[in-house]
Amino acid sequence: DQQVKQNSPSLSVQEGRISILNCDYTNSMFDYFLWYKKYPAEGPTFLISISSIKDKNEDGRFTVFLNKSAKHLSLHIVPSQPGDSAVYFCAASAGDTGFQKLVFGTGTRLLVSP
Amino acid sequence: GAGVSQSPSNKVTEKGKDVELRCDPISGHTALYWYRQSLGQGLEFLIYFQGNSAPDKSGLPSDRFSAERTGGSVSTLTIQRTQQEDSAVYLCASSLVRVAGANEQFFGPGTRLTVL
Repeated sequence: DQQVKQNSPSLSVQEGRISILNCDYTNSMFDYFLWYKKYPAEGPTFLISISSIKDKNEDGRFTVFLNKSAKHLSLHIVPSQPGDSAVYFCAASAGDTGFQKLVFGTGTRLLVSP
Repeated sequence: GAGVSQSPSNKVTEKGKDVELRCDPISGHTALYWYRQSLGQGLEFLIYFQGNSAPDKSGLPSDRFSAERTGGSVSTLTIQRTQQEDSAVYLCASSLVRVAGANEQFFGPGTRLTVL
């Protein structure tokens, strides 16, 4: 049972345009969401996160939007750059104390062409 | 060290053999996690350790998998009698423990395990 779903395995955009990566979840207990970026042969690196009490979090070119009623979140990258080409994983966790195991989606491969 | 390190980076083994994968977390990080990523799949949680507390082993797929963390630092993931379906990239992550909010987990580069 896939609790976190990324239905688009790949996305191609042109440099300078907006990239929108989507993620859906089924577990209503999730209260924190994270995006990770992964380059080949490297471990995932943390990009941005959002708490369920918010609907938007912005960090430079990266913005994450959360729609709790739809159990949907998205990552917007604008403007997209060739260096953003990577696999992006959406992750979620439940519980707000201590530490939590993350539940990951299957990833979306983003290709930004010059 | 500066980041999470894992060894070996690649491991090829024959079906039925045992393997050990090592993880060195970031110094000072009290939580340590193991995940694996099979081909075409997302990261699958296996186990985590937090200080001296009992580890959460709820993600281990079978009793052939075990892990230990010595001295609250280095961790070893052991897979006994490997099967071809164990082939995957095994990722280790570490984090600090926060009072509230999700913890940012820092990942190592992973160990690619291939079982022939």
